[in-house]
Amino acid sequence: EAQVTQNPRYLITVTGKKLTVTCSQNMNHEYMSWYRQDPGLGLRQIYYSMNVEVTDKGDVPEGYKVSRKEKRNFPLILESPSPNQTSLYFCASSLTSYLTGELFFGEGSRLTVL
Amino acid sequence: GIQVEQSPPDLILQEGANSTLRCNFSDSVNNLQWFHQNPWGQLINLFYIPSGTKQNGRLSATTVATERYSLLYISSSQTTDSGVYFCAVEHGGTSYGKLTFGQGTILTVHP
Repeated sequence: EAQVTQNPRYLITVTGKKLTVTCSQNMNHEYMSWYRQDPGLGLRQIYYSMNVEVTDKGDVPEGYKVSRKEKRNFPLILESPSPNQTSLYFCASSLTSYLTGELFFGEGSRLTVL
Repeated sequence: GIQVEQSPPDLILQEGANSTLRCNFSDSVNNLQWFHQNPWGQLINLFYIPSGTKQNGRLSATTVATERYSLLYISSSQTTDSGVYFCAVEHGGTSYGKLTFGQGTILTVHP
């Protein structure tokens, strides 16, 4: 089944404890991206990757890191989480890297930072 | 950066009614997509529509890129249409891959 898989789906952590949210897709997509969703603000892009070893900042990259060492994986790293990073996070992918095609989303990861 | 505004912010309908959702954007874009977020939080792509008109069952969408807006039409609404509808634009020019979402329209369909 074609899908984008995020883990963990739910996480409660404490300020400053490094964490990684994994994202994996099995559709051989070139483009992958991360978003956070907050009430009243819609979805905001954190980082995106047009292909392996190519990453770029979205609108809200502060406090986050990403890497794209393999085509299928695009982990989101919070080196020192803070309470303002409490949010619902989505990973998405699409087939093309030239003019992003139809986006497929993961099921979301709800993160709480205490 | 590009500003994306959706209207109305909230919409309440009786089952069977028709509705039109609007997405305005402030600059030229490479493409535009519409998404539905169901009450369980799942995001589903409805249309990939940089220009022109597309239809899928009871839903259709039109994008007029030169006038910087897109419309999503829902006909004969059903309770399962409830949720949040987002439009998202890919920035124009050479900013491939950079996306901005609107704040969404919350649709509630009552039986």
